[in-house]
Amino acid sequence: AQKVTQAQTEISVVEKEDVTLDCVYETRDTTYYLFWYKQPPSGELVFLIRRNSFDEQNEISGRYSWNFQKSTSSFNFTITASQVVDSAVYFCALNPGNTGKLIFGQGTTLQVKP
Amino acid sequence: GAVVSQHPSWVICKSGTSVKIECRSLDFQATTMFWYRQFPKQSLMLMATSNEGSKATYEQGVEKDKFLINHASLTLSTLTVTSAHPEDSSFYICSANRDYQYYEQYFGPGTRLTVT
Repeated sequence: AQKVTQAQTEISVVEKEDVTLDCVYETRDTTYYLFWYKQPPSGELVFLIRRNSFDEQNEISGRYSWNFQKSTSSFNFTITASQVVDSAVYFCALNPGNTGKLIFGQGTTLQVKP
Repeated sequence: GAVVSQHPSWVICKSGTSVKIECRSLDFQATTMFWYRQFPKQSLMLMATSNEGSKATYEQGVEKDKFLINHASLTLSTLTVTSAHPEDSSFYICSANRDYQYYEQYFGPGTRLTVT
């Protein structure tokens, strides 16, 4: 089965707190890509990161960081020192077998309060 | 960058009518385009894969006669919702790949359809 699970439906934090969004995926393909997208109220998906299955290096981009662990099939996303502008729905997605067909998780709604 | 546009950005139509949504790659040739549907407060679900010059491939459970997809050129794919009903009200998003680079997706801004 190919699946993406984001167990956290909603998270609420106070500004400047760190927050981690969890993502667990399932696939039997050895080649696959993982993504994180941000979806603000406008609905347009904002690309955050792409990772391929052969690159387990963690990545940091400003306040954002990602932890990819194949051993646990997880691709978690951490926002450090959260800001109100980070409030949005965040989706983790899987491109299994590099087919281009994305399988999205259920999404996590992040609310950052001032 | 690679830009994908959708038109219209929102549309309201009456039950029983058909509505066409366009997805265009503005600065690249899209060998493949994908159509997703997102119901309110839900995730995105893939509806179909559209390849230029060939018939679209629909995901299981998606009615091909209701959701007509045409990929007439390397920069344009259209989704026509035929005989729309209120349950078809949703957010429709397309994505495009270029040169069969399936690891890179470019999403359009989405089209919000409301059927009254």
